[in-house]
Amino acid sequence: GAGVSQSPRYKVTKRGQDVALRCDPISGHVSLYWYRQALGQGPEFLTYFNYEAQQDKSGLPNDRFSAERPEGSISTLTIQRTEQRDSAMYRCASSLGSSASTDTQYFGPGTRLTVL
Amino acid sequence: AQSVAQPEDQVNVAEGNPLTVKCTYSVSGNPYLFWYVQYPNRGLQFLLKYITGDNLVKGSYGFEAEFNKSQTSFHLKKPSALVSDSALYFCAPRGPGANNLFFGTGTRLTVIP
Repeated sequence: GAGVSQSPRYKVTKRGQDVALRCDPISGHVSLYWYRQALGQGPEFLTYFNYEAQQDKSGLPNDRFSAERPEGSISTLTIQRTEQRDSAMYRCASSLGSSASTDTQYFGPGTRLTVL
Repeated sequence: AQSVAQPEDQVNVAEGNPLTVKCTYSVSGNPYLFWYVQYPNRGLQFLLKYITGDNLVKGSYGFEAEFNKSQTSFHLKKPSALVSDSALYFCAPRGPGANNLFFGTGTRLTVIP
């Protein structure tokens, strides 16, 4: 079956512009996660959705970052007024259950964001 | 609080030899432990996980991992390495009730033909 998809795969933008990154989870998956992975580092948690509810946004670095999942399926991560330090791979993952720590998270291919 | 340590940034092994990628963790409560692999220009792929039960967990592509509670370790192993196993490997613990996986910096495995 189809896995997690993300678009665009690559995004180059100029400093100060807003960007929107999209994630389409595996069909039927209740939970959706956003991570950010800097070069040479492991993924770092940003935010978590249970259906359409954003239940944890403790990893969002500042208020320029926001995320939504209005219908409990597709999610959008938005970065306003981008800065060079925002350049990274942004990864989305989904899992079947709701807030279940044992569930496997399945990752998408990521969006490589470059801020010039 | 949770943390993970993969003490080796790089592991080199000859094709056909056994491989081990080490992981130690710190989690409050009973840990849930995951291994993921990242191939170049591809996403993270799930290999295996330990939740409860048998300490030896078998996963994809012939990989296995052994949970050792006293040593707080979850080392990844494979009896015979393939060149195609060359990739970046991440151990990721998750505490009970935690929403997210916690990743370290990973271990780059190179299998030499």
